[in-house]
Amino acid sequence: SYELTQPPSVSVSPGQTARITCSGDVLPKQYAYWYQQKPGQAPVLVIYKDSERPSGIPERFSGSSSGTTVTLTISGVQAEDEADYYCQSADSSETYRVFGGGTKLTVL
Amino acid sequence: QVQLQESGPGLVKPSETLSLTCTVSGGSISSYYWSWIRQPPGKGLEWIGYIDYIGSTNYNPSLKSRVTISIATSKNQFSLKLTSVTAADTAVYYCAREPDCSSTTCYAYFDPWGQGTLVTVSS
Repeated sequence: SYELTQPPSVSVSPGQTARITCSGDVLPKQYAYWYQQKPGQAPVLVIYKDSERPSGIPERFSGSSSGTTVTLTISGVQAEDEADYYCQSADSSETYRVFGGGTKLTVL
Repeated sequence: QVQLQESGPGLVKPSETLSLTCTVSGGSISSYYWSWIRQPPGKGLEWIGYIDYIGSTNYNPSLKSRVTISIATSKNQFSLKLTSVTAADTAVYYCAREPDCSSTTCYAYFDPWGQGTLVTVSS
């Protein structure tokens, strides 16, 4: 199957480290991608191919992979990082794309 | 810098066909793959389907019977048609580029996205 599972919410204080996980059976075989979506805005790619950071994305955003779980880590969280975060991947033949259910990051 | 812009009716009646167009500017549509994604109000993202630069398509199995995606390279546009709509199809519809897919390899992710357009299904 190619379902991706994320926690509905994560809370962190400013300056701390936020970790958002995404689990799925396809993840050992396929790369994961992460998007940030702020209210009323389109999603923005923040991590691609598990751990690569697009140009213009702050260094505090990083990604890692271990088995069936990938993790988005935001170090030194800032208030502006409060948003919904979605993981995404594809099936083994790159035919179908799938999103996780999303995680709401709250900065306390 | 490539930009995408969705256009089409914001209100569609139940049982009718939803039609949207995505116009690509700042680059050619005659490469890469191009996708449609939707997001019901207050909910998560759902991939609808993609079309490549030669017109080959793949659709989400849950929507496959109702979806058609087409491409007009001369206009730098691609389009979405969703038939027999119901209230469950009310959503913000996004178009997006898949920048790392070709005929030989594909890393399936979306960048950039259009700003999105809200389509409401209601009589």
